[in-house]
Amino acid sequence: DTEVTQTPKHLVMGMTNKKSLKCEQHMGHRAMYWYKQKAKKPPELMFVYSYEKLSINESVPSRFSPECPNSSLLNLHLHALQPEDSALYLCASSQDMGRRPQHFGDGTRLSIL
Amino acid sequence: AQTVTQSQPEMSVQEAETVTLSCTYDTSESDYYLFWYKQPPSRQMILVIRQEAYKQQNATENRFSVNFQKAAKSFSLKISDSQLGDAAMYFCAYLSGGSNYKLTFGKGTLLTVNP
Repeated sequence: DTEVTQTPKHLVMGMTNKKSLKCEQHMGHRAMYWYKQKAKKPPELMFVYSYEKLSINESVPSRFSPECPNSSLLNLHLHALQPEDSALYLCASSQDMGRRPQHFGDGTRLSIL
Repeated sequence: AQTVTQSQPEMSVQEAETVTLSCTYDTSESDYYLFWYKQPPSRQMILVIRQEAYKQQNATENRFSVNFQKAAKSFSLKISDSQLGDAAMYFCAYLSGGSNYKLTFGKGTLLTVNP
């Protein structure tokens, strides 16, 4: 069983829709990450939260909006996405930023119509 | 910037045999961490093994072991007694020991296990 839980597992949305991805961990980790992964490629970092504050934004378009309501929960709000945004979105957490291994969730498979 | 190279896009192994996946990296740092992650078709990225650069002893986790050659900047993964469940994409990853947060991944090696 994964210790990082992501919902939903699959999401299909139109380009005008607004949806959110959710990630939850109860390991007491203080750093949480969003990655985007295209088929047969390694994950690409999008955002990093450390102690519930956004620390890193890897120049991600504003149609992706992260939110960290508390230390256990990480959301990714989606609006006006493009077909090229179709991908697997992975959430990860680590004890703190850097040094510690990151633990990943199962991901959300996102398809944009 | 650090780079991670996995030169084998695909590998195959017979069940119960041993296979070695290659990984090389380029860095000017002395303090860093290396990881192997496994991603089966179920898609979860699973941490297989980790190695701290300051440790000379090679890490081992059950059937998985690494051959860490710091001078050669090489970090290969050996899977012994391969099982069908080992079939997956394997990613080698580098993490700076400084304040850097960013995992640098290789392109991955797709491992097939034949019964």
